[in-house]
Amino acid sequence: EAQVTQNPRYLITVTGKKLTVTCSQNMNHEYMSWYRQDPGLGLRQIYYSMNVEVTDKGDVPEGYKVSRKEKRNFPLILESPSPNQTSLYFCASRGGANTEAFFGQGTRLTVV
Amino acid sequence: AQSVAQPEDQVNVAEGNPLTVKCTYSVSGNPYLFWYVQYPNRGLQFLLKYITGDNLVKGSYGFEAEFNKSQTSFHLKKPSALVSDSALYFCAVRDSPHTNAGKSTFGDGTTLTVKP
Repeated sequence: EAQVTQNPRYLITVTGKKLTVTCSQNMNHEYMSWYRQDPGLGLRQIYYSMNVEVTDKGDVPEGYKVSRKEKRNFPLILESPSPNQTSLYFCASRGGANTEAFFGQGTRLTVV
Repeated sequence: AQSVAQPEDQVNVAEGNPLTVKCTYSVSGNPYLFWYVQYPNRGLQFLLKYITGDNLVKGSYGFEAEFNKSQTSFHLKKPSALVSDSALYFCAVRDSPHTNAGKSTFGDGTTLTVKP
């Protein structure tokens, strides 16, 4: 089954404690992205990758890092999480420039 | 720069009536336009897209959307709403691929409520 898998689904952490949210897709897609969803703000793109070792900033990259060492994986790293990063995070992948995105189930992160 | 506006936070319709969820966009080149739906506690699911060609596109669950270049709009429509259509709907745009194929911009979302 074609899917994008994120882990964990839920995470509560403390300010400053480094964390990683994993994302994996099994569709051999070139493009992958991370978004955060906040009430009233829709989805905002954090980072995206157009291929292995090719990443770029989205609209809200501050406080986040990503890496794309393998085509299937695109982890999101918060080196020093802060409460304003409390949000619902989605990973997505797509096969080409004009194709639709497949989304993971989401990771609800709370930073206290 | 690219942007998307969904002017209505909420749309309420009665079951069986037609529905419209509005979307307008701004891009520097030619747009790729998408509609997604999000049910509670789920990820987004693709509904339909406009890339090129016929301005009226048909998608999943009986939804359709009309691309209007002069009005820079891509409104989502359905002739007869179902209670099960109640969800959060997102419009998204990508600029033409020669500029920045990786970047996608989503609207703020419109909550559709269909009442029995």
